[in-house]
Amino acid sequence: DAGVIQSPRHEVTEMGQEVTLRCKPISGHNSLFWYRQTMMRGLELLIYFNNNVPIDDSGMPEDRFSAKMPNASFSTLKIQPSEPRDSAVYFCASTPGLAGEEQFFGPGTRLTVL
Amino acid sequence: AQKVTQAQTEISVVEKEDVTLDCVYETRDTTYYLFWYKQPPSGELVFLIRRNSFDEQNEISGRYSWNFQKSTSSFNFTITASQVVDSAVYFCALSEADTGFQKLVFGTGTRLLVSP
Repeated sequence: DAGVIQSPRHEVTEMGQEVTLRCKPISGHNSLFWYRQTMMRGLELLIYFNNNVPIDDSGMPEDRFSAKMPNASFSTLKIQPSEPRDSAVYFCASTPGLAGEEQFFGPGTRLTVL
Repeated sequence: AQKVTQAQTEISVVEKEDVTLDCVYETRDTTYYLFWYKQPPSGELVFLIRRNSFDEQNEISGRYSWNFQKSTSSFNFTITASQVVDSAVYFCALSEADTGFQKLVFGTGTRLLVSP
């Protein structure tokens, strides 16, 4: 079975541009998580979904960030407009949704905003 | 207050040495889960182990072992006879009952460098 799939793997954009990161969770997994990893702040949870419904978005840094999960097999994280401080590696993870299950991480998207 | 503390920022060892990575956590819940993940230089996050708060048995998996002690709120990770391939950043993480065990709170990670 394929793992969590993220695209693109690398994104370089200019400040002010819209950026969309994509994630396909493992089939059958009911929970999906978006994380951001930076040297300064480490791994931070941005938002997570259960059964396509956003449960906790308290980690989303500001209104420029939005996330959607239109169906069980697809999620997007959008940054509009992007800023240089958004440069980071963004990970998507999924889990079956049972209590305490390990999260399976995608390979990440390395975003560079110039 | 930081919920997961990995005080060792970086550890350097020579191959075949044993090394222990420390993890101290903080929670008010009586039920929680602890995890270790490995992030090799390639960047992906690889799950290593999960332990729930009711299971204090130590675990051994090959060269890896984990020591869970509720009395000291620690969940330490030992690599025996380290190898160059063990070079990575290792993260300890916690999930708690008050979030339905959904949210993972990560420590800041310990970078392990194993030289030949």
